Amino acid sequence: DGGITQSPKYLFRKEGQNVTLSCEQNLNHDAMYWYRQDPGQGLRLIYYSQIVNDFQKGDIAEGYSVSREKKESFPLTVTSAQKNPTAFYLCASTPRGRTEAFFGQGTRLTVV
Amino acid sequence: GNSVTQMEGPVTLSEEAFLTINCTYTATGYPSLFWYVQYPGEGLQLLLKATKADDKGSNKGFEATYRKETTSFHLEKGSVQVSDSAVYFCALSEDFNKFYFGSGTKLNVKP
Repeated sequence: DGGITQSPKYLFRKEGQNVTLSCEQNLNHDAMYWYRQDPGQGLRLIYYSQIVNDFQKGDIAEGYSVSREKKESFPLTVTSAQKNPTAFYLCASTPRGRTEAFFGQGTRLTVV
Repeated sequence: GNSVTQMEGPVTLSEEAFLTINCTYTATGYPSLFWYVQYPGEGLQLLLKATKADDKGSNKGFEATYRKETTSFHLEKGSVQVSDSAVYFCALSEDFNKFYFGSGTKLNVKP
């Protein structure tokens, strides 16, 4: 079945460590996105990518980095520069020429 | 700029009650409008969409009409079920790059 797979579902990080969240899609979608969701709040855009080897900052990119070496993959690294990384992270993709987004199941990151 | 405002929750209803969740938007052009649903611990699922004024999106008994004159896209369902308990997000997209989401409205349906 086609879809977006995020892993792991739960992730724990010690302060000062970098951690990478995985996002893979087999929908052949061109655009991919990373959102952050905090309790009781909407989604905030971290980074997005329209094509391979190209990506743009969203509204809250500081402390995060991404890469897009393959169409299917868009990993997000949460660096030690992100001061408040505990949140629910959602990856999404959109097909070419269409605006509705398809979401993964999310990764809950907790700093311990 | 673009933004979405939706009613604060939680909204608590009894089973078979009528549901309305209000959503209004601000956009510089002619956006597409969406309702997404999120069940606990999961990602968002597209519930319905409308791409132009006066379009009505519908799915699983839920409906929303794109009202350009009032810049609104209110979600309605005639008879809610316990299984509809979730968080509902209103969203807009004006190009293929960015989505703008409301803060979400939590719906609790009691048996």
